[in-house]
Amino acid sequence: DAKTTQPPSMDCAEGRAANLPCNHSTISGNEYVYWYRQIHSQGPQYIIHGLKNNETNEMASLIITEDRKSSTLILPHATLRDTAVYYCIVISFGSNYKLTFGKGTLLTVNP
Amino acid sequence: NAGVMQNPRHLVRRRGQEARLRCSPMKGHSHVYWYRQLPEEGLKFMVYLQKENIIDESGMPKERFSAEFPKEGPSILRIQQVVRGDSAAYFCASSSGHPGLETQYFGPGTRLLVL
Repeated sequence: DAKTTQPPSMDCAEGRAANLPCNHSTISGNEYVYWYRQIHSQGPQYIIHGLKNNETNEMASLIITEDRKSSTLILPHATLRDTAVYYCIVISFGSNYKLTFGKGTLLTVNP
Repeated sequence: NAGVMQNPRHLVRRRGQEARLRCSPMKGHSHVYWYRQLPEEGLKFMVYLQKENIIDESGMPKERFSAEFPKEGPSILRIQQVVRGDSAAYFCASSSGHPGLETQYFGPGTRLLVL
């Protein structure tokens, strides 16, 4: 699976949009971009995933660049409860179900 | 629709005792995965099971650790003769179909502390 690179930490003001970047320059054609988050002392929570089109659900939006080498997770109106470590991972469906979480980005939402 | 359930949420054991961790997958899910998160480290895959079958246990330590997913009841991760290094958070995830095609949903975890 392709390696991902994320900034170690970001801050966001409550009520503002949080934009979390992820680089995955070695991604291949059959690999999906997945986002999970882990709030302190809780299990990882699935957020969203996509292949090449932008995706939106009730939690977030995922913007994938046309060349698929990077993506951005957008939390449109961040709340204090969104403070968590966010993980961007690339999964080659059909061949690898062993999820590997790197360091991720610690998003701190400030009042 | 209940999510993945794990119990106990916290477990304290003395060295040499057995730890038994339970995981009930989401309704309709037949694939279960166990992961371990050591303090200040990322999640590491341990084992993947379907009902009554171990599909991949490549991440399991060779000794003292075992897992099962019986026809009836929850999946069990068993650690025999625990040592201090087993202290960690153990997470279970489940998916509905082919493991490479379906999203894994995680439970709240069991935090094991070995004294």
